[in-house]
Amino acid sequence: EAGVAQSPRYKIIEKRQSVAFWCNPISGHATLYWYQQILGQGPKLLIQFQNNGVVDDSQLPKDRFSAERLKGVDSTLKIQPAKLEDSAVYLCASSPGTSGVHLYNEQFFGPGTRLTVL
Amino acid sequence: AQKVTQAQTEISVVEKEDVTLDCVYETRDTTYYLFWYKQPPSGELVFLIRRNSFDEQNEISGRYSWNFQKSTSSFNFTITASQVVDSAVYFCALSGTGYSSASKIIFGSGTRLSIRP
Repeated sequence: EAGVAQSPRYKIIEKRQSVAFWCNPISGHATLYWYQQILGQGPKLLIQFQNNGVVDDSQLPKDRFSAERLKGVDSTLKIQPAKLEDSAVYLCASSPGTSGVHLYNEQFFGPGTRLTVL
Repeated sequence: AQKVTQAQTEISVVEKEDVTLDCVYETRDTTYYLFWYKQPPSGELVFLIRRNSFDEQNEISGRYSWNFQKSTSSFNFTITASQVVDSAVYFCALSGTGYSSASKIIFGSGTRLSIRP
């Protein structure tokens, strides 16, 4: 079974530029997560989708970050405009079930996209 | 508020030594899940274990073992006879068990483990 796919793996941009990341979850997984992992820290949840709806985006900086999962499958995360402090690894994860149906769903993580903002 | 503390930033040991990674957590929930994840240089987070708060039995899986002590809010991870392939960053994590909180995982800052040949 294929794992969670992410692209690109690496991206270098200058501050105030825009950038987009793509994630393709494991086939059939209803829930998709985007995490931000700053160097030396653990991952922090940015946004959680259940199918194509947003479950939790409380920690997403909405003035510059946006995410969508239009058809309930793959997802894009965009930063516009980027700041120096956005330099991090952006991890995508997916899990099989939906909140409320299964109280626990193991999350499967992709390899991440390493963003450097200069 | 939920919090996970991994006080050991980096640990370096010689191959075949035993090593313990410490994890202390804070939560007001009466039931919760605890996790350990491994992050090798490739970057993916690899799930190692999940423990429900009402199950305080220690667990052993091959060279890995976990010691859960609710009284001290600790969930420590021991690797016996360490190998070079164990070199990675290890994260301890916590989530609730409720309708929406079960999928909200709070990670510690990680412990970088280096195993020297």
